[in-house]
Amino acid sequence: EAQVTQNPRYLITVTGKKLTVTCSQNMNHEYMSWYRQDPGLGLRQIYYSMNVEVTDKGDVPEGYKVSRKEKRNFPLILESPSPNQTSLYFCASSLIGGLSNQPQHFGDGTRLSIL
Amino acid sequence: KQEVTQIPAALSVPEGENLVLNCSFTDSAIYNLQWFRQDPGKGLTSLLLIQSSQREQTSGRLNASLDKSSGRSTLYIAASQPGDSATYLCAGKAYSSASKIIFGSGTRLSIRP
Repeated sequence: EAQVTQNPRYLITVTGKKLTVTCSQNMNHEYMSWYRQDPGLGLRQIYYSMNVEVTDKGDVPEGYKVSRKEKRNFPLILESPSPNQTSLYFCASSLIGGLSNQPQHFGDGTRLSIL
Repeated sequence: KQEVTQIPAALSVPEGENLVLNCSFTDSAIYNLQWFRQDPGKGLTSLLLIQSSQREQTSGRLNASLDKSSGRSTLYIAASQPGDSATYLCAGKAYSSASKIIFGSGTRLSIRP
């Protein structure tokens, strides 16, 4: 089944403890992206990747890192999480990015609580 | 800079009604517009994608239209059912920032049996 898989689905942790949210897609998509969803603010893009080894900042990249060493994986890293990073996070992918009409496919989300 | 707005934030209608959800965007140089459905605790499911060269797209009871000149898109749901209850999000991709899609805040739809 074609899908975007995120892990963990839920995580409660403490300020400053490094964490990684994994994202994997099995559709051979070139484009991948991370969003956070907050009440009243909608979904905002954190980072995106047009292809392997190509990543770039979205609208709210502060406090996050990403890597794209393989086509299928796009982990989101919080080196020193803070309470303002408590949010619902989504990973998405599409066949290609940029000026393309390929729809984006989303994972089921990861709910992070930073205490 | 592209901004996407959805009004109303919430809508409740009785089962069987036809309804329209609205989405407006500020950058008329839009490349495409996508409608999503989000269920509680779930990710986003793509419903329809309208390319800039198209005026509308249809899938089953859903019909989405795009009017670039007025900066509006609508999602029409025919013969609504309780299973249609969800949050509906629209997202636009502009020529000027094609690396991302900009989301509206969504309309939370409730269909009363």
